[in-house]
Amino acid sequence: SQQGEEDPQALSIQEGENATMNCSYKTSINNLQWYRQNSGRGLVHLILIRSNEREKHSGRLRVTLDTSKKSSSLLITASRAADTASYFCATDGEYGNKLVFGAGTILRVKS
Amino acid sequence: GAVVSQHPSRVICKSGTSVKIECRSLDFQATTMFWYRQFPKKSLMLMATSNEGSKATYEQGVEKDKFLINHASLTLSTLTVTSAHPEDSSFYICSARDLRTSGVSYNEQFFGPGTRLTVL
Repeated sequence: SQQGEEDPQALSIQEGENATMNCSYKTSINNLQWYRQNSGRGLVHLILIRSNEREKHSGRLRVTLDTSKKSSSLLITASRAADTASYFCATDGEYGNKLVFGAGTILRVKS
Repeated sequence: GAVVSQHPSRVICKSGTSVKIECRSLDFQATTMFWYRQFPKKSLMLMATSNEGSKATYEQGVEKDKFLINHASLTLSTLTVTSAHPEDSSFYICSARDLRTSGVSYNEQFFGPGTRLTVL
């Protein structure tokens, strides 16, 4: 499998706290993207970071990318119950158009 | 914009029957669509890449005669699970790339809501 690893596999926090999820990958990449998936639903694109970028922000989301370590992190600040979902990173590059998804982190935000 | 639909959202069928799942880009044209399979609490596994007007490219280990893909237009790709068996039960998700951004160096894909297939 070419999939990367994500940690933690599951994360449970209180509303208002910050949530940090990490993703590691194995090959060189052009871009790394983060997606959210609510239970039994499709994926929602959150943010894309290019390989020459180190950090990107979008609202309450902050993504970092360390290509030397082949890793990325997603930080959700001031979490809300509605943030409860699975979060996946996905990379492309070596395999052209194809996205390779990480194993995902299941986030539960308790109100 | 950039909405992808799938039909049906849920399907239950008997072993041995064939099931067709449609993936449509509603407000954009997609030369390339992707089909993924997802098991409960697991990640997405790419099954095949569907290119409009040409044969699909299947990932290693995916039987092309079992999972027939047709991408007849710039807005529609279909996945047919032939002679379905209980082990084919899964969540199938499609995604599409916008033709207008296909030449750009990033690869944002828009995902459909998924189809839950249950084979009895």
